[in-house]
Amino acid sequence: QSALTQPASVSGSPGQSITLSCTGTSSDVGKYKYVSWYQQHPGRAPKLMIHDVSNRPSGVSNRFSGSKSGKTASLTISGLQAEDEADYYCSSYTRSNTYVFGTGTKVTVL
Amino acid sequence: QVQLQESGPGLVKPSGTLSLTCAVSGVSISSNNWWSWVRQPPGKGLEWIGEIQLSGDTNYNPSLKSRVAISIDKPNNQLSLKLNSVTAADTAVYYCAREGIPYNGGDYWGQGTLITVSS
Repeated sequence: QSALTQPASVSGSPGQSITLSCTGTSSDVGKYKYVSWYQQHPGRAPKLMIHDVSNRPSGVSNRFSGSKSGKTASLTISGLQAEDEADYYCSSYTRSNTYVFGTGTKVTVL
Repeated sequence: QVQLQESGPGLVKPSGTLSLTCAVSGVSISSNNWWSWVRQPPGKGLEWIGEIQLSGDTNYNPSLKSRVAISIDKPNNQLSLKLNSVTAADTAVYYCAREGIPYNGGDYWGQGTLITVSS
């Protein structure tokens, strides 16, 4: 299974909104609503930010939102803050009953 | 409070077997969840290794399937990972995670443990 495709880096100024993309295939992102997004700060474990395409776990800021269209899922961060600077990974369930992660996007707050 | 803690040897010799355990607290490993392992080579992205349920059912990453085994130790409330025939490419931080939301990967993660494959 090939990794989902994410842009290597995205940047924005404080207060701005940015959108991260995650492109898969008809066997994963395009087939299921089971897309998750993780935030990872350096030296830390990943933290679940979005599940089931657009649902936020308890405690996650409503500045984070998710969506999906066809084989591409997206994560939007609104009101960008310095603490949002991190790596972000998408993940999808696949038709082989496995999971596949994205290549990862480094978010920089200018 | 659900907590997971990985432990392992730190260093494994090439062609050897990597063995890790993940101690779970705050929830029974016998609960109706899948439990998974994920790894991350230094400076690289996340790679899903596999998952297990209490029944013993497992699913593995096809690229690792021939070398990996995940098991559950109910009495000690922990899960284990074994990866054989390791090479330098298996050097990574290894994480265990609870899949508390069906089909969505891990909602609780351990802090990770670095395993280096070197002679």
